[in-house]
Amino acid sequence: KNEVEQSPQNLTAQEGEFITINCSYSVGISALHWLQQHPGGGIVSLFMLSSGKKKHGRLIATINIQEKHSSLHITASHPRDSAVYICAPFSNTGNQFYFGTGTSLTVIP
Amino acid sequence: NAGVTQTPKFQVLKTGQSMTLQCAQDMNHEYMSWYRQDPGMGLRLIHYSVGAGITDQGEVPNGYNVSRSTTEDFPLRLLSAAPSQTSVYFCASSSSGGAGEQYFGPGTRLTVT
Repeated sequence: KNEVEQSPQNLTAQEGEFITINCSYSVGISALHWLQQHPGGGIVSLFMLSSGKKKHGRLIATINIQEKHSSLHITASHPRDSAVYICAPFSNTGNQFYFGTGTSLTVIP
Repeated sequence: NAGVTQTPKFQVLKTGQSMTLQCAQDMNHEYMSWYRQDPGMGLRLIHYSVGAGITDQGEVPNGYNVSRSTTEDFPLRLLSAAPSQTSVYFCASSSSGGAGEQYFGPGTRLTVT
């Protein structure tokens, strides 16, 4: 059973394109995180959301708690954005994260 | 701050051997957790802790033990290594569970032969 579904699984874009990655989840949550993992393995936190929208530079994350859906947008994509992006809702009952399998993004110059 | 540190970075074990993966953080975070990452499966929670002296099981706890005697350290013990435990292991911490930013260690790549 997959509590978290991400789409697409793989995405190739031309530099400068607008990117959207979607995340749907089935569990009740208190927050949702977006993580980035570059080739070579390191994982960094991009956003933590409990409602609405957040923006950091060219990255925007939104969440709709009622629809159990979140999106990560990248404006003016750049080759350095090439990475795996992971959606991670935090359960409001189990005190733990669930994880999507990630979206592998490749941005071509 | 060093953030979250993990040792070793790489390890090869033979089936049946035991070992401890070390994880430490210097941010005074209460919440710490261990994950394994396997191709095509995403991160899976092994064990987590909400504070010193308190641990709980995650999705895939079998074959692993943890303890949390201090706020800083959260070691993961493999009791009797099996080839199915070949994976990349990540430790993470945050100030307040899901409500705080997550900080991940660099990972340990473990191979069990």
